[in-house]
Amino acid sequence: GAGVSQTPSNKVTEKGKYVELRCDPISGHTALYWYRQSLGQGPEFLIYFQGTGAADDSGLPNDRFFAVRPEGSVSTLKIQRTERGDSAVYLCASSLGASATYEQYFGPGTRLTVT
Amino acid sequence: AQTVTQSQPEMSVQEAETVTLSCTYDTSESDYYLFWYKQPPSRQMILVIRQEAYKQQNATENRFSVNFQKAAKSFSLKISDSQLGDAAMYFCAYRGNAGNMLTFGGGTRLMVKP
Repeated sequence: GAGVSQTPSNKVTEKGKYVELRCDPISGHTALYWYRQSLGQGPEFLIYFQGTGAADDSGLPNDRFFAVRPEGSVSTLKIQRTERGDSAVYLCASSLGASATYEQYFGPGTRLTVT
Repeated sequence: AQTVTQSQPEMSVQEAETVTLSCTYDTSESDYYLFWYKQPPSRQMILVIRQEAYKQQNATENRFSVNFQKAAKSFSLKISDSQLGDAAMYFCAYRGNAGNMLTFGGGTRLMVKP
């Protein structure tokens, strides 16, 4: 079956612009996660959705970052007034449920470059 | 807060040999899960192996096995009979039983020499 997909694969934008990154989870997965991976580092948690609601957004770095999942499936990560420090790979993962017994399946990520 | 440390930025192994990647973590929780993920150049994180903290037996998946030392908070990955396709970044990760997110280490780049 289809895995987690993310679009676009790569995004180049100018400092100060607004960007949207999309994540299509595996069908039937109720839990969805966003992580950010800066160059040479491990992924860092941003936000977690259970269904349509953001159950934990403690990893969002500031109020320029926002994410939605209006129908409990596709999620969009939105970044306003982008800064060069936002350049990173943004990874999305989904799992059948919130329990730690469920594996998180990752997408290929979106590489964001802010010039 | 939990932290995960991988002290080896790079490791190299000869094809068909065995290599061990190190990971230590810090937590005050008694119940948790530990993982090793592989990230090839395609960027997609692939689960290699997982270990539940309440299980004393070390997890094994084919050529991959772990050495889980709960008291020492150590979780190393052993890759036996290394293959060229094993070359990738490897990340150790922690997840508390009550939490939802994964906490990752900084990664180890594994190179496999033919």
